[in-house]
Amino acid sequence: EPEVTQTPSHQVTQMGQEVILRCVPISNHLYFYWYRQILGQKVEFLVSFYNNEISEKSEIFDDQFSVERPDGSNFTLKIRSTKLEDSAMYFCASSDWDRGPFGSGTRLTVV
Amino acid sequence: GENVEQHPSTLSVQEGDSAVIKCTYSDSASNYFPWYKQELGKRPQLIIDIRSNVGEKKDQRIAVTLNKTAKHFSLHITETQPEDSAVYFCAAKGTGTASKLTFGTGTRLQVTL
Repeated sequence: EPEVTQTPSHQVTQMGQEVILRCVPISNHLYFYWYRQILGQKVEFLVSFYNNEISEKSEIFDDQFSVERPDGSNFTLKIRSTKLEDSAMYFCASSDWDRGPFGSGTRLTVV
Repeated sequence: GENVEQHPSTLSVQEGDSAVIKCTYSDSASNYFPWYKQELGKRPQLIIDIRSNVGEKKDQRIAVTLNKTAKHFSLHITETQPEDSAVYFCAAKGTGTASKLTFGTGTRLQVTL
């Protein structure tokens, strides 16, 4: 069964540094998403992406965040200047319409 | 925007008993309702889903019911086993291109021997 893959699995970064989280969605999917989950809490929507542009973004997705599909297959989430409160699991997901799997996640730890 | 509430937050059942987790949603336009199981440190895994044109769906020991009028949907697990122990999340998805999932706050299910 096709999977959404994410790299790295764990990233430790210093506060104020930039991080790029990478995702390879399922190849024939059209819709791409980033979610985050702070430890012990629910999964929260960050941003959705369709047709090479952002479809929707949440209040969490402020100017420090950006997404790109740099080469037509990868889907990246960039956090420009990380804060302690950005520490969380970040999940990428893709879907053909409404159903689609989550990637295995990147655990981001900001110190 | 959509708001999904989930109850209970924790649920302890004995092996072999049934477990029921309930969710309500606020946006009547939502039309897709998945349930996820998440084990510690792992990704949410889809276990069952239901679309708004269906009232009930079953897959072996797992069933989901949807009441569109009341904006309620529930997960039923029968004959629970220790490996069912995990955190379960409900979610709702609206219509429209690339609609997001809005998640409930999760239910920690503990199945005891």
